[in-house]
Amino acid sequence: EVQLLESGGDLVQPGGSLRLSCAASGFTFIYYAMTWVRQAPGKGLEWVSAIGGGGSPTYYADSVKGRFTISRDNSKNTLYLQMNSLRAEDTAVYYCAKRSTSSRADDFWGQGTLVTVSS
Amino acid sequence: DIQMTQSPSSLSASVGDRVTITCRASQSISSYLNWYQQKPGKAPKLLIYDASSLQSGVPSRFSGSGSGTDFTLTISSLQPEDFATYYCQQSDSTPWTFGQGTKVEIK
Repeated sequence: EVQLLESGGDLVQPGGSLRLSCAASGFTFIYYAMTWVRQAPGKGLEWVSAIGGGGSPTYYADSVKGRFTISRDNSKNTLYLQMNSLRAEDTAVYYCAKRSTSSRADDFWGQGTLVTVSS
Repeated sequence: DIQMTQSPSSLSASVGDRVTITCRASQSISSYLNWYQQKPGKAPKLLIYDASSLQSGVPSRFSGSGSGTDFTLTISSLQPEDFATYYCQQSDSTPWTFGQGTKVEIK
């Protein structure tokens, strides 16, 4: 059974940093590209970043480029999102998702972790 | 960036109704269009990929169509468990942008 478990969400002050993790199980992690998507409270979905199965290529939304870094440790079956220079507008639930190999869609999602940026 | 515009933003419908949601891309995205369903407090769930392919395990009352810039999601006979918010997403080029969502509510 595919499982994605996000962790690391917390309350952080503006300008601070946070690292999110997504522990994967139930599939051969290295074979799959992975994605981060976020959802601000009461708002829609916003694609944040993606990474290939081997760790490259990486892609970022303009809103986080230069501040966020996506990475993965395939020996630990874990996806990461390092978030620096956090802003109030980064407040959201962050979801990790597994990209399908047969389409350009995210076919399985974790339950999300909440990041709150506030003083 | 490719902009995705859904309509309507919300709709009220009854069980058994046929429901259609449209999604328009600001430029051609071929058939790289996905549809997701999200219920309150839950993660999104993939329904349709490549504009018209039904994800495994998704009921056949859901269907998708379109190519280029105009796409539709149709629910042929709305069921109680279908009341949710639906999002389209283009996966033609990064950033893989979402539409703003369509909330389907009970009439």
